[in-house]
Amino acid sequence: EVQLVESGGGLVQPGGSLRLSCAGAGSSFSTFWMGWVRQAPGKGLEWVAFIKKDGSEKYYLDSIAGRFTISRDNAERSVYLQMNTLRAEDTAVYYCVGGSGWLEDHWGQGTLVTVSS
Amino acid sequence: EIVLTQSPGSLSLSPGERATLSCRASQNVGRNFLAWFQQKPGQAPRLLIHAATRRATGIPDKFSGSGSGTDFTLTISRLEPEDFAVYHCHQYASSPLTFGGGTQVEIK
Repeated sequence: EVQLVESGGGLVQPGGSLRLSCAGAGSSFSTFWMGWVRQAPGKGLEWVAFIKKDGSEKYYLDSIAGRFTISRDNAERSVYLQMNTLRAEDTAVYYCVGGSGWLEDHWGQGTLVTVSS
Repeated sequence: EIVLTQSPGSLSLSPGERATLSCRASQNVGRNFLAWFQQKPGQAPRLLIHAATRRATGIPDKFSGSGSGTDFTLTISRLEPEDFAVYHCHQYASSPLTFGGGTQVEIK
C-alpha cells in the first residue's frame, strides 16, 4: 500500500513553468509505475505521463510531450512533473497515480494548477 | 489511440434501482485491460473494477463489470445514496492511456 501526497500546484502565467512533486509513503513505492492524471475544471480525466519503476521508460500524452518531463527518485520515494511553456488549457487538478502495472490503483488527492495572466 | 465513449452521459435513477453504464472502445482493448472508477465531488477517483470484470480490493459485490473486446458494462445492482457519483471507464492496455467522458448517476 502506498499513500501519495502531491505538492507544487498554484497560479502561473502562460508560458511559465511549474514543478509538481508527489511523495509516496510505503515500502512499495519503488515497485510501482508512477504517473500523473489531470482533470480540467468540470471535465473528465486525462492521462498525462507514466514512468517505469526504475525510470528507464517514460510515456507521455502527445499534447504535452516536449513541454512536460516526468522523473522519479526512489530513494526519496518521490515522483515529479516538470511543466514548461504552460498554456491555459493545462489548467487542471493534477493527480499523482501509481500501481504495480499501468493500472492506477493508487491516487493522491490532487493539486490544482491554474495557468492565467 | 483508443477512444472510449461512455453512454449515457447522465442517468437519473432512484435508490434501490439498477444502473447499467456502457463504455465502447474505438478498437479492441488488449487483454481486456478496462477499468471503472467512481468519483465524487471534490474527491480523487476510486478504482472499482479492473481487467473488465475484477472488483478491486474492498469493493462491494453490488458493483460488477462485464464485457470484452470493445464493449464493456458496469452494473450497480441496487443503488444506495452513496453510489450517486460520476463513473469513468479507462483503458490501460496501450499508450496513450485514455478515459471515457464519464457517466453522471443522479438521484431521481
